[in-house]
Amino acid sequence: ETGVTQSPTHLIKTRGQQVTLRCSSQSGHNTVSWYQQALGQGPQFIFQYYREEENGRGNFPPRFSGLQFPNYSSELNVNALELDDSALYLCASSPRGENPDTQYFGPGTRLTVL
Amino acid sequence: GEDVEQSLFLSVREGDSSVINCTYTDSSSTYLYWYKQEPGAGLQLLTYIFSNMDMKQDQRLTVLLNKKDKHLSLRIADTQTGDSAIYFCADAPASGGSYIPTFGRGTSLIVHP
Repeated sequence: ETGVTQSPTHLIKTRGQQVTLRCSSQSGHNTVSWYQQALGQGPQFIFQYYREEENGRGNFPPRFSGLQFPNYSSELNVNALELDDSALYLCASSPRGENPDTQYFGPGTRLTVL
Repeated sequence: GEDVEQSLFLSVREGDSSVINCTYTDSSSTYLYWYKQEPGAGLQLLTYIFSNMDMKQDQRLTVLLNKKDKHLSLRIADTQTGDSAIYFCADAPASGGSYIPTFGRGTSLIVHP
């Protein structure tokens, strides 16, 4: 157990809808990263937040957005859902400044878009 | 852009050694990681190696790094059925003070009795 929790565990949405996924970081971690893992693929980096500011973004469209709160928990929002958004969404927290910047992953949210 | 390649499957007998291989392209990679993912779970960090090292051993795990060939391997000694999982290699160049890993597609390790 890493101490990183995500909710919900599973989610089913239809095309065009919007979704919000939540992540609670491990205590003491001020950095959170979000990844999309499609079936049979490795995790793809979406973006990272450090002290409530976006600190790096992967190759994902603007309809993927995020927030980090003062308690370092985080949300991933996806608008205008597409079928290809179906995936496991992983959140990882890390104590920035640790060398290396080891990321601790949550169990993920399985999103299915119909 | 960065690319991390792994073979997709490996099947071994319980008690044998497993060797999972990985190649990467980003020569600026500072850290290289091995993660394990069991069915329905998130990723668990197994070990990492700094790019100026050739080898790292941690109990049953041995990581070998050939920086010239950009080749990384993970050896699991005395493989057990509980080691059955997907293993991901990741490289992480330093970027703005953090290390954002690029993952391979994963190697599915099957351990049979």
